[in-house]
Amino acid sequence: AQSVSQHNHHVILSEAASLELGCNYSYGGTVNLFWYVQYPGQHLQLLLKYFSGDPLVKGIKGFEAEFIKSKFSFNLRKPSVQWSDTAEYFCALHSADTGRRALTFGSGTRLQVQP
Amino acid sequence: DAMVIQNPRYQVTQFGKPVTLSCSQTLNHNVMYWYQQKSSQAPKLLFHYYDKDFNNEADTPDNFQSRRPNTSFCFLDIRSPGLGDAAMYLCATSKQIATNEKLFFGSGTQLSVL
Repeated sequence: AQSVSQHNHHVILSEAASLELGCNYSYGGTVNLFWYVQYPGQHLQLLLKYFSGDPLVKGIKGFEAEFIKSKFSFNLRKPSVQWSDTAEYFCALHSADTGRRALTFGSGTRLQVQP
Repeated sequence: DAMVIQNPRYQVTQFGKPVTLSCSQTLNHNVMYWYQQKSSQAPKLLFHYYDKDFNNEADTPDNFQSRRPNTSFCFLDIRSPGLGDAAMYLCATSKQIATNEKLFFGSGTQLSVL
């Protein structure tokens, strides 16, 4: 069975600090990986996704993530966070070759950026 | 310009009293999903519709049902809510069920069971 782990449940940073949120998955086959973000009071929305090609993926608002197949990881990074990045971040996986039709989500990381 | 709309935003029901949550979309997407998200946990897929084709997850309790009368609307029925069913219920859509499809989420309905 596939699974997604986000070990950091709550991260507190000051503005301008660098960010790295961990995401590890468990699945031996081909995967598509996503990061979704949920700003306070808003719906989940796609931040970025990886399904092939360059393992370094750039998303909206200066975020990027790197797919490292050997480590089963897809960590999210941003060099300098802003107060407006305060949100909950979810890593998600879709296994490309099981026919499973929906995303498997991690439990999320709540990011709090202090001004 | 909300594209996936869930009503109501907050729903309170009594233990054992049937409740229906609604979702509508203006995207004309083929696929509609219902996820359950409990506090500090990952969203968990309950079921989805591809057009009129209903697909239930193996571990979704029988207490949860769904209806999709047309492309735009999808309903989640909880026949006899228990205290453990208190959660955020998320509706999402996608154009197709390709593995790299982006999901569009509604804002969710927070269900409380008294």
